[in-house]
Amino acid sequence: AQKVTQAQTEISVVEKEDVTLDCVYETRDTTYYLFWYKQPPSGELVFLIRRNSFDEQNEISGRYSWNFQKSTSSFNFTITASQVVDSAVYFCALSEPAMDTGRRALTFGSGTRLQVQP
Amino acid sequence: EPEVTQTPSHQVTQMGQEVILRCVPISNHLYFYWYRQILGQKVEFLVSFYNNEISEKSEIFDDQFSVERPDGSNFTLKIRSTKLEDSAMYFCASSEGVMVTLTGELFFGEGSRLTVL
Repeated sequence: AQKVTQAQTEISVVEKEDVTLDCVYETRDTTYYLFWYKQPPSGELVFLIRRNSFDEQNEISGRYSWNFQKSTSSFNFTITASQVVDSAVYFCALSEPAMDTGRRALTFGSGTRLQVQP
Repeated sequence: EPEVTQTPSHQVTQMGQEVILRCVPISNHLYFYWYRQILGQKVEFLVSFYNNEISEKSEIFDDQFSVERPDGSNFTLKIRSTKLEDSAMYFCASSEGVMVTLTGELFFGEGSRLTVL
């Protein structure tokens, strides 16, 4: 069965600090997809990134970067020079493809609440 | 930019009442989902729907729940007889893609908050 662990329940940083959110996953499949979603105080889920298991290249998007390490089953998310607007709950999620329907449901981690203080 | 829309944004109901939550997925998407999030907890999968039938459901999705795509645009979640523990934020989501090679992102709606009294 698939499982996603976000061991950090809550992180508090001061603006402009860098912060890394950890995500460790378990899956029996060799093909799978990893995601990060942001949930701001308003409640919606905002897609940040999708990565498939065959692509271990790290990705950078502005102040966001992701480090995918298959060897340690981790997909960590770093925010550089954090801002108050980054305050949110961040969820890591995992999905495996299903032969019949194309996709299995997302399994979410329990989320990490990030508080960025001014 | 196309988006998934959900109504109502907030519904308050009495225990035992039926509730229908509505979603309009993105128009060219083929896969539809409901997830829920009890306050302060993780987002949990309820059900996925493809080709006019349920393709996968979780243990949470018991006989009290049903989904329907009554027309070409709406995707509904019905809770037949609500319980206190059904209070949660319910998220609808959709994605495009084809069999096996699906890699598309999941687009979530803004959620419908259900409060059962």
